[in-house]
Amino acid sequence: DIVMTQSPDSLAVSLGERATINCKSSQSIFYSSNNKNYLAWYQQKPGQSPKLLIYWASTRESGVPDRFSGSGSGTDFTLTISSLQAEDVAVYYCQQYSVTPCSFGQGTKLEIK
Amino acid sequence: EVQLLESGGGLVQPGGSLRLSCAASGFTFDMSAMNWVRQAPGKGLEWVSGITGSGDSTYYGDSVKGRFTISRDNSKSTLYLQMNSLRAEDTAVYYCAKDHRMAKISWIDNWGQGSLVTVSS
Repeated sequence: DIVMTQSPDSLAVSLGERATINCKSSQSIFYSSNNKNYLAWYQQKPGQSPKLLIYWASTRESGVPDRFSGSGSGTDFTLTISSLQAEDVAVYYCQQYSVTPCSFGQGTKLEIK
Repeated sequence: EVQLLESGGGLVQPGGSLRLSCAASGFTFDMSAMNWVRQAPGKGLEWVSGITGSGDSTYYGDSVKGRFTISRDNSKSTLYLQMNSLRAEDTAVYYCAKDHRMAKISWIDNWGQGSLVTVSS
């Protein structure tokens, strides 16, 4: 099974500043056959269900603000929020869908400094 | 608008059984694989199980394999999770989750509101 590890576990960033969350997979989730990384990012605000932000490691879901971006390949990935807004306070999860069982990272809690 | 409405959660004793249902609407149900994802109180997300759009392939996480069974009735646009031999560590909110693809498990593009399952004596 693939283990997903996020860092840091929690993060405090000032409004308007950049927030960076890392996600590492225990094995590569890149497929050269289609040049895709099988990684998604989700946002879960307090008391709500998760929401899809990014898939294929860097493709933003429709309606997601462009301050959210994903990057990385192979085993190392990053979610970046370019200018933190108050409504971005949430827990963020990465997920690999390269193989089943799918697996999520443990989550990164993002707060305002 | 996609809607996923879970039901069937509640309090059950250790060793007991429970069946969750998820009524889906707003999309062509048999064109989407479906998943169950759970979240223990104060904890992160754990993928539990997935099923392809046709229902011919099912997948399970290691912690539930052999105890849980996922199924679907495409004529009723309903997803199920039969949970047997329940343990305290199965206590969680269970989310019904729509997959983006049909024939493979991939990313989740819509989530239900969740159904709480509590396993306790």
